[in-house]
Amino acid sequence: ELKVEQNPLFLSMQEGKNYTIYCNYSTTSDRLYWYRQDPGKSLESLFVLLSNGAVKQEGRLMASLDTKARLSTLHITAAVHDLSATYFCAVGERGSQGNLIFGKGTKLSVKP
Amino acid sequence: NAGVTQTPKFRVLKTGQSMTLLCAQDMNHEYMYWYRQDPGMGLRLIHYSVGEGTTAKGEVPDGYNVSRLKKQNFLLGLESAAPSQTSVYFCASSSETWDEQFFGPGTRLTVL
Repeated sequence: ELKVEQNPLFLSMQEGKNYTIYCNYSTTSDRLYWYRQDPGKSLESLFVLLSNGAVKQEGRLMASLDTKARLSTLHITAAVHDLSATYFCAVGERGSQGNLIFGKGTKLSVKP
Repeated sequence: NAGVTQTPKFRVLKTGQSMTLLCAQDMNHEYMYWYRQDPGMGLRLIHYSVGEGTTAKGEVPDGYNVSRLKKQNFLLGLESAAPSQTSVYFCASSSETWDEQFFGPGTRLTVL
């Protein structure tokens, strides 16, 4: 059974600092997704990582995937307040038809 | 282009009542999904569909039924609501199996 673990679950950062959110998963998969959710809102797709070694960057966020270690990271560079949100990773369940198993989310708060 | 829409946005039910949640997408996507999101947890897959006329069970299907009579619509039914079904329900769709999923705005359901 595929399990997805994110850490930390809560993260309070100062503006301008760097930090990394980790997403570990328990069984083989090479499909990993990162989503952002603002309070009371829907989920917004950030990154789709579909192969070992995949790295994608958008603004201050960079995501990577190491399928051998079963690990994805979401790196935040020089955080700004607008990045405050909850970030979810989701892993594709191998053998399924697009089923995603989500982590519990990392609630990020960026303070001035 | 509205993307993924959900009806209703909010609903309060009494235990034992039934209701249907409607999800509609205008992107001609083949795959559609229903998730529930509970506090402190990620999203969990209830049911999904890989095309018109098809449905399949996800991670937490008990107490729910679904139908996909038209490609653009995916209905989630609760036959006899229970307080444990109090949650926020999200619908999502995707074009291909492992494409990013696009999420609707959510339905907040309370069962008293």
